[in-house]
Amino acid sequence: DAMVIQNPRYQVTQFGKPVTLSCSQTLNHNVMYWYQQKSSQAPKLLFHYYDKDFNNEADTPDNFQSRRPNTSFCFLDIRSPGLGDAAMYLCATSMGGRESEQFFGPGTRLTVL
Amino acid sequence: KQEVTQIPAALSVPEGENLVLNCSFTDSAIYNLQWFRQDPGKGLTSLLLIQSSQREQTSGRLNASLDKSSGRSTLYIAASQPGDSATYLCAGHTGGFKTIFGAGTRLFVKA
Repeated sequence: DAMVIQNPRYQVTQFGKPVTLSCSQTLNHNVMYWYQQKSSQAPKLLFHYYDKDFNNEADTPDNFQSRRPNTSFCFLDIRSPGLGDAAMYLCATSMGGRESEQFFGPGTRLTVL
Repeated sequence: KQEVTQIPAALSVPEGENLVLNCSFTDSAIYNLQWFRQDPGKGLTSLLLIQSSQREQTSGRLNASLDKSSGRSTLYIAASQPGDSATYLCAGHTGGFKTIFGAGTRLFVKA
């Protein structure tokens, strides 16, 4: 089945230790998104890629970076995680038309010790 | 700036009841509105997508409506079941691939 896959599902890191979260998709969608969701809050868009075009939200901290080496994969790098970065990180994809539906992966729960 | 509000924040109903979840948005310039379901600790599952030119969409026991002029969308769940217990989120898609989510309505259906 076509899907959005995230690895790992659970990630524990230490304060200040860089961490990378992975997302892959078999939908062949043009757009990939990264969201941050804290407990009982709305998902917040961090950035998205349209093909290789990277788009950062204005309020996304510099501590968060992303890479998309090919159509199928997208990575979220957190350079120096702080306690406030503990959250669920959600990857999503869409075809790219302005009315297109978004499909989400299962998420990665990040814990910062 | 687009803001999305969902009321109520939490809802508890007995099994079999029909219910309505509400979503309001401040900017009517949305391209579409999507409803999602989120189980605890899990990702989001897409339920229904309503294009800006549409007024409603149906899937099984779910019906979603969209009224852009009033800035409102509703999700109607018929004959609720315990398996419907989850958090339901709405999201408005605006220009530039921006998506604004509501904080969700946490639904509990009692057997």
